[in-house]
Amino acid sequence: DAKTTQPPSMDCAEGRAANLPCNHSTISGNEYVYWYRQIHSQGPQYIIHGLKNNETNEMASLIITEDRKSSTLILPHATLRDTAVYYCIVRVAGNAGGTSYGKLTFGQGTILTVHP
Amino acid sequence: EAGVAQSPRYKIIEKRQSVAFWCNPISGHATLYWYQQILGQGPKLLIQFQNNGVVDDSQLPKDRFSAERLKGVDSTLKIQPAKLEDSAVYLCASSLDLMFSYEQYFGPGTRLTVT
Repeated sequence: DAKTTQPPSMDCAEGRAANLPCNHSTISGNEYVYWYRQIHSQGPQYIIHGLKNNETNEMASLIITEDRKSSTLILPHATLRDTAVYYCIVRVAGNAGGTSYGKLTFGQGTILTVHP
Repeated sequence: EAGVAQSPRYKIIEKRQSVAFWCNPISGHATLYWYQQILGQGPKLLIQFQNNGVVDDSQLPKDRFSAERLKGVDSTLKIQPAKLEDSAVYLCASSLDLMFSYEQYFGPGTRLTVT
């Protein structure tokens, strides 16, 4: 799986949009971009994923650049409960086969702190 | 729907002792994963099962770690004997299937402290 690069930490004011960047310059054509987050003392939680098009769900939006070498996770109105470690992961999906299939490789992530 | 269940939530043992963790995945999920998360790091995959078969155990320290999923549902992860560096949170996750880009659902984890 391709590696990702994220800033180690970011701050955001409550009620403002949080924009978390991720660089994945070596991503392959069959790799998706996934975002998970981990709130303190809990297991990771799935947020969103995408291949090439921008995606939106009830939690967040995912913007992927046209060359797919980077992406941004957007939390439109951050709350104190969004304080967590956010992981950007590229993952082989589809019928690619091999032992990397379905595997999530977590990096260090970005510690997002939302303050009042 | 009920989430991924894990027990115990906390365990303290001395080095060279053995320990076992239990995981019950979400009903109907064919794929089960065990991760190790050392303090300050992201989770690291130890082993993944598809039903009761092992798909990937390349990062499992097989001289001391073992895992099984005999009936394709519950799973246990065992460490014998434990070392100080095994102190970590052990996370279990499950997903509908390995074949497609399904999300993984994580349990709350078991925090192991080896003294």
